[in-house]
Amino acid sequence: DVKVTQSSRYLVKRTGEKVFLECVQDMDHENMFWYRQDPGLGLRLIYFSYDVKMKEKGDIPEGYSVSREKKERFSLILESASTNQTSMYLCASRGLGRLSSGANVLTFGAGSRLTVL
Amino acid sequence: AQKITQTQPGMFVQEKEAVTLDCTYDTSDPSYGLFWYKQPSSGEMIFLIYQGSYDQQNATEGRYSLNFQKARKSANLVISASQLGDSAMYFCAMREGMDSNYQLIWGAGTKLIIKP
Repeated sequence: DVKVTQSSRYLVKRTGEKVFLECVQDMDHENMFWYRQDPGLGLRLIYFSYDVKMKEKGDIPEGYSVSREKKERFSLILESASTNQTSMYLCASRGLGRLSSGANVLTFGAGSRLTVL
Repeated sequence: AQKITQTQPGMFVQEKEAVTLDCTYDTSDPSYGLFWYKQPSSGEMIFLIYQGSYDQQNATEGRYSLNFQKARKSANLVISASQLGDSAMYFCAMREGMDSNYQLIWGAGTKLIIKP
């Protein structure tokens, strides 16, 4: 019954390394999101994608890029990891449904906890 | 200014007691929606309940209900008869407007611990 899968639960990387975080959803959702979660700050949106090959910057895109070549897959890329990117990263997807019912809610993956040394 | 405020960073509650988690919001858009999510220690965010600004009745989903007070701009989550498995982080979030490609605005969360 897995719906949104994040490839890595825990990663430890060195400063300057290139990091790929992969997210796959099996619900045929149009929208996909990458969030960063830090204690006391809630969730902050990094990037989102409305559809294949489309991407939009969120609130904190600096230091990140994304790729969406297929509808089911949305990748987050840290070109050169830094210690201030140590965080929990959450991927989510959402279909298009009636707003009034709240039916098009976000479905999240289990998260990827990244530590940059 | 914070658009979503959760004033309780942490709460301890005795098992079987009811719990109220506070959420206040700020928007000038007449059309909005409020969401509550639960995040257990496993990390996955789980959708609990939704309330639309035009909904006449307070939303309920099993043991979860939303105490929606529009004039006070509050949307508190009420958990009846708490269980040990309710221990988790709880997040309130809001969407503004009617764009189906909406973005959510998140609160900082409340950590709830249920004591046996």
